[in-house]
Amino acid sequence: QSALTQPASVSGSPGQSVSISCTGPTSYIGSYDLVSWYQQQPGKGPKLIIHDVNRRPSGVSDRFSGSKSGNTASLTISGLQTEDEGDYYCCSYAGTWVFGGGTRLTVV
Amino acid sequence: QITLKESGPTLVKPTQTLTLTCTFSDISVSTTDAGVGWIRQPPGKALEWLAVIYWAEDKRYRPSLKSRLTITKDTAMNQVVLTMTNMDPVDTATYYCVVLSAVVRAAAFDIWGQGTLVTVSS
Repeated sequence: QSALTQPASVSGSPGQSVSISCTGPTSYIGSYDLVSWYQQQPGKGPKLIIHDVNRRPSGVSDRFSGSKSGNTASLTISGLQTEDEGDYYCCSYAGTWVFGGGTRLTVV
Repeated sequence: QITLKESGPTLVKPTQTLTLTCTFSDISVSTTDAGVGWIRQPPGKALEWLAVIYWAEDKRYRPSLKSRLTITKDTAMNQVVLTMTNMDPVDTATYYCVVLSAVVRAAAFDIWGQGTLVTVSS
């Protein structure tokens, strides 16, 4: 069982915005600004899209943004595109790492 | 650009020991601020972090698997090796080698290998 809780699925239409939440214990998300998010497109390996709660690696679209409040981190994707479809995972570090169970994003 | 390549058996029998090797291309990974680790993903399931080794020899393990895991590095060969003992069918997964670079304060996995599927079956 995952230590971080994510919704199983979210959906949106092209051009819309969606948010994915990630809730975990105080010892992880609540204590450190070391939350990262990963995108896994169908049939591909994961890719880092957000680190340190809200920082984007070079080359990642600014349509992806992250935030945190208390024990909950969030990933927001604005201007949805069909290529955004896939699974999204949050991850938190506090000496060791824990992942969320993943959220399937469908762009309809 | 750092590239990672996982190698190892695609099929292991229950109770056997799995040995996976990650070979990376760029010596800059070998800095005290960087780490190399392993993450797995069972078919159709979520990512699971397994282990990380920093170049300063600091090692971290998934608590629930700590007794079965060993991570080591060979600096001269640019390799990191993961061993997992007493393999079980539930360990069937794609195993990814990952780099935690200084850019992400070595706290996130910013470079991923292509992954290698390991099946545990008799």
